[in-house]
Amino acid sequence: AQTVTQSQPEMSVQEAETVTLSCTYDTSESDYYLFWYKQPPSRQMILVIRQEAYKQQNATENRFSVNFQKAAKSFSLKISDSQLGDAAMYFCAYEVGSRLTFGEGTQLTVNP
Amino acid sequence: GAGVSQSPRYKVAKRGQDVALRCDPISGHVSLFWYQQALGQGPEFLTYFQNEAQLDKSGLPSDRFFAERPEGSVSTLKIQRTQQEDSAVYLCASSLGHRGYGYTFGSGTRLTVV
Repeated sequence: AQTVTQSQPEMSVQEAETVTLSCTYDTSESDYYLFWYKQPPSRQMILVIRQEAYKQQNATENRFSVNFQKAAKSFSLKISDSQLGDAAMYFCAYEVGSRLTFGEGTQLTVNP
Repeated sequence: GAGVSQSPRYKVAKRGQDVALRCDPISGHVSLFWYQQALGQGPEFLTYFQNEAQLDKSGLPSDRFFAERPEGSVSTLKIQRTQQEDSAVYLCASSLGHRGYGYTFGSGTRLTVV
């Protein structure tokens, strides 16, 4: 079975500090894409960052970066200079074919 | 439109009622997806359309669930004879059809079956 595991149900960070959210996945596919999505209380899933599995270079998007370890099937998200607006549920996901498989999410709290 | 629009935002149904949930994707997006998100869980795939063709419906949990996209734009997810376990947020997403670029999601419909 193809699965995504987020081992941290909840995380908290002080404003302006750095936090890392963990994600591991299990797939037998070689061609796939990885994503982090953010879901605020409005429920809309917002794409934060994406990574092609065939690229070794870690993706970066402003304050957001990933640590992609393909052999270990690990895909963690680092948020630098955390802001109050970063507070949300964060989901890790991978895409195989035309289907996203999501983890169970990590609830991030940002403390002022 | 500027984003993916879903309606209604909330729906309360009595057990046994039929419901219809609407998704209006971004104009020009050929791919459309439905996901079901139970409380405290990540979204789970239900079905996928490319234009009007339903290419994958393997995630639909039972034959009470039916989705259509007759003209390749607006899609409707229908649930017949609703049951309490159908209570969830139903998310719709659309994309241009190119893999790896992620999807644009709507804000979902929260269905509560009482």
